[in-house]
Amino acid sequence: GQQVMQIPQYQHVQEGEDFTTYCNSSTTLSNIQWYKQRPGGHPVFLIQLVKSGEVKKQKRLTFQFGEAKKNSSLHITATQTTDVGTYFCAGHLSGSARQLTFGSGTQLTVLP
Amino acid sequence: ETGVTQSPTHLIKTRGQQVTLRCSSQSGHNTVSWYQQALGQGPQFIFQYYREEENGRGNFPPRFSGLQFPNYSSELNVNALELDDSALYLCASRRQDGTDTQYFGPGTRLTVL
Repeated sequence: GQQVMQIPQYQHVQEGEDFTTYCNSSTTLSNIQWYKQRPGGHPVFLIQLVKSGEVKKQKRLTFQFGEAKKNSSLHITATQTTDVGTYFCAGHLSGSARQLTFGSGTQLTVLP
Repeated sequence: ETGVTQSPTHLIKTRGQQVTLRCSSQSGHNTVSWYQQALGQGPQFIFQYYREEENGRGNFPPRFSGLQFPNYSSELNVNALELDDSALYLCASRRQDGTDTQYFGPGTRLTVL
C-alpha cells in the first residue's frame, strides 16, 4: 500500500552537531508537512512545502521537498537540547486530499 | 498553543466497552480530523468531518464512528473496544476542507484492559 517512510528511526547527537531526517513516499505527494512531537506531547506543526524542489528555512532548520515530490528532508544545524523530540513528516498522497499520511518518525536525542 | 482542546486527557476502559472522546476545534475551523497514535508510531488517520459530514476515512473498521456538531466540536466513538485500541487519540482542526495546515489538540490517552 501507499506509505511514507522515514529514516533513521532513532538518532543520538552531541549538542552542537547537525542532524538530518529523510522522508520518502512510494507515490507523489501533493505537499509535505513536518511536525515535532515532544515526549508526552502532541504533534506541533513546523512547516508545509508544496512546490517541487522547494527549500524553506526556519532559523537552524532547513526543509527540502524533492523535485519529484516523493521525498523530503529536515536538517537541523548545531542542535540544542531543546531540539529533543520526534520529528514526523506527513503528506497528502495524490488523490487523497483529505487524508494526511504520517511517516514513522525520527526520534532525536541531543546529549549535552 | 493551538486552541484545540480534548477531553478527557486519560481514560481506562475494559475490552468490549464503548468510549466517547471529545474535541473542541480552534475558533473559525470547520474541518476536524481524528488520528490514532500507537506508542512509538506516527499518527494514523481515522476520519475527517467537514460541516457535520464525514468526508474522508482511513483504514479503520465501522466500530470507529464520529460526529461533528454545528459549533464544530466533535466526538469520536469506539464500540466493542479491543486491547489494540490502546493509544493516544488526537484530533486536529483546520480552517477549511483541503490541504492547509491543521492544528492538533493535546490528545486523549486511552488504555484498554
